[in-house]
Amino acid sequence: DTGVSQDPRHKITKRGQNVTFRCDPISEHNRLYWYRQTLGQGPEFLTYFQNEAQLEKSRLLSDRFSAERPKGSFSTLEIQRTEQGDSAMYLCASSLVTSATYEQYFGPGTRLTVT
Amino acid sequence: AQSVAQPEDQVNVAEGNPLTVKCTYSVSGNPYLFWYVQYPNRGLQFLLKYITGDNLVKGSYGFEAEFNKSQTSFHLKKPSALVSDSALYFCAVRDSGFQKLVFGTGTRLLVSP
Repeated sequence: DTGVSQDPRHKITKRGQNVTFRCDPISEHNRLYWYRQTLGQGPEFLTYFQNEAQLEKSRLLSDRFSAERPKGSFSTLEIQRTEQGDSAMYLCASSLVTSATYEQYFGPGTRLTVT
Repeated sequence: AQSVAQPEDQVNVAEGNPLTVKCTYSVSGNPYLFWYVQYPNRGLQFLLKYITGDNLVKGSYGFEAEFNKSQTSFHLKKPSALVSDSALYFCAVRDSGFQKLVFGTGTRLLVSP
């Protein structure tokens, strides 16, 4: 059973550039979540998908952020015109919608550094 | 609105001693409560959850947590700490009407030999 994978693990970019991250959830999981974690803080919710539908977006997800989950499998998170404040760890998680399963399983994260 | 408080930034304990990491929560509906552990440069690893039922829940690596509805607390415990337990621990809550997890700020556990 492979866990949640994320690519790349690290990304350094210059301010103003666009970046895209990928998340591959656990294969049978139909819910996928994105969180952002800054230094010294807990993860903060950004958005989640059930299958290919994006069902909730946080106010943290500004217009420069867009997430997709085509075909309900992997997901991408794109940040346009990056700012230094975007520097953070971006975490992806997945879960299975059943009556008995509530926990989310996290990937290793993508650490973004904007210079 | 959902919220979680972890009042201790760091907990220090000697190996072999019991440990407690504190967490209190606030939700409007029924709480679903979770503990996760994070090792350096790694994602979060699920430890245990409380959804309903017994107030004492057991999880991975010998950890357990006690749900106390009257005190709105969900403290993480382990009878005998190991040096390898040293890590960052996060408490999280999910309101029964929502999907997102709301995390606390984390507690760093340091177990000394």
